[in-house]
Amino acid sequence: AQSVAQPEDQVNVAEGNPLTVKCTYSVSGNPYLFWYVQYPNRGLQFLLKYITGDNLVKGSYGFEAEFNKSQTSFHLKKPSALVSDSALYFCAVRDRGSGNTPLVFGKGTRLSVIA
Amino acid sequence: GAVVSQHPSRVICKSGTSVKIECRSLDFQATTMFWYRQFPKKSLMLMATSNEGSKATYEQGVEKDKFLINHASLTLSTLTVTSAHPEDSSFYICSATPGQKSTDTQYFGPGTRLTVL
Repeated sequence: AQSVAQPEDQVNVAEGNPLTVKCTYSVSGNPYLFWYVQYPNRGLQFLLKYITGDNLVKGSYGFEAEFNKSQTSFHLKKPSALVSDSALYFCAVRDRGSGNTPLVFGKGTRLSVIA
Repeated sequence: GAVVSQHPSRVICKSGTSVKIECRSLDFQATTMFWYRQFPKKSLMLMATSNEGSKATYEQGVEKDKFLINHASLTLSTLTVTSAHPEDSSFYICSATPGQKSTDTQYFGPGTRLTVL
């Protein structure tokens, strides 16, 4: 069975500092991995995904994530945080070859960027 | 591209009434759409998979007679909360994928806030 763990409920970072939101996964075989962001009272917005190739994936709004197979992790990072990055972040996974199946989401991490 | 809309964005209804929520893929066709429910400060709970032209597949514990799903076209799925009660108050979000491959990205609607009085 697939599962995603986001070990931190809350991450606080000062504006301008680098940020990391952690995600680890458990899936048989090689997964496809996704990051989404949710602003208050809004749906989820797609940030980036790892399919294959370069382990470092660049996405929207300056975010990037690194796929680490040995550590089964896919941490989200940004070199310099903005106050506007404050939101709820979700990591998600899908099995390869599973077709158009729903994503399995982590419980979410709330990021607060403090000015 | 890949825009998903939901209507209404917010609805308040009396207990016992039914509420219909629409999910539309605006610039692509989606044979499959997904319905999620999100409680405050919680993750998304998958309710059902909506399949165009066939019955929806419900997750364990989700009452199919209470949460009616109709996917009548390749761009529209509807979720009807029948005989709504205060415990049905929640944030309902739909998603769709412009493709059938596991590499395809799921795009989400903006959500519908349901409040049952």
